[in-house]
Amino acid sequence: GIQVEQSPPDLILQEGANSTLRCNFSDSVNNLQWFHQNPWGQLINLFYIPSGTKQNGRLSATTVATERYSLLYISSSQTTDSGVYFCAVALTTDSWGKLQFGAGTQVVVTP
Amino acid sequence: SAVISQKPSRDICQRGTSLTIQCQVDSQVTMMFWYRQQPGQSLTLIATANQGSEATYESGFVIDKFPISRPNLTFSTLTVSNMSPEDSSIYLCSVDEDTQYFGPGTRLTVL
Repeated sequence: GIQVEQSPPDLILQEGANSTLRCNFSDSVNNLQWFHQNPWGQLINLFYIPSGTKQNGRLSATTVATERYSLLYISSSQTTDSGVYFCAVALTTDSWGKLQFGAGTQVVVTP
Repeated sequence: SAVISQKPSRDICQRGTSLTIQCQVDSQVTMMFWYRQQPGQSLTLIATANQGSEATYESGFVIDKFPISRPNLTFSTLTVSNMSPEDSSIYLCSVDEDTQYFGPGTRLTVL
């Protein structure tokens, strides 16, 4: 099956700092999404981004499909950004919603 | 965006018993997905549930252990049968509408 690797596994940030999370995937995908799981366990969809660049407030994401990686940027981090960030993909040949998740990046933002 | 509710939100069960988890969506959807998140781990797809047909299970998951019902386009249930402590996980229901939406999860502890 497809491999999804996220780095770094853990990240500790001072409030106000910027950071970049990376997701590498091993095969052609038709669906790539970034999620944030808050400390209460709720999964929130951040971006649907199989290619290109998107921005939403302090968050932005870029996917270079030809090179099989995606980046999530967090700017001016806040304590509410703490949680686990997951990258998830679906194969081009597979059903849209059958997502393969990476192991996640645990982010802790300290005041 | 889809709004998904799950019942129960959490439960503690005895070894050898079964638990049925309900998932309700506020709109009609073709496919519903069930995921498992073991403690400290990422999400793994259990099965895809289509209305009017048998669920499709991923490698490592079988119908006898995780029977699924999909009686209409807004509702699905997942049963965790003959439970053991290894079944202690968060079980999440999901739908896709270009982006993927997840329910709040059912936190199951098996003693």
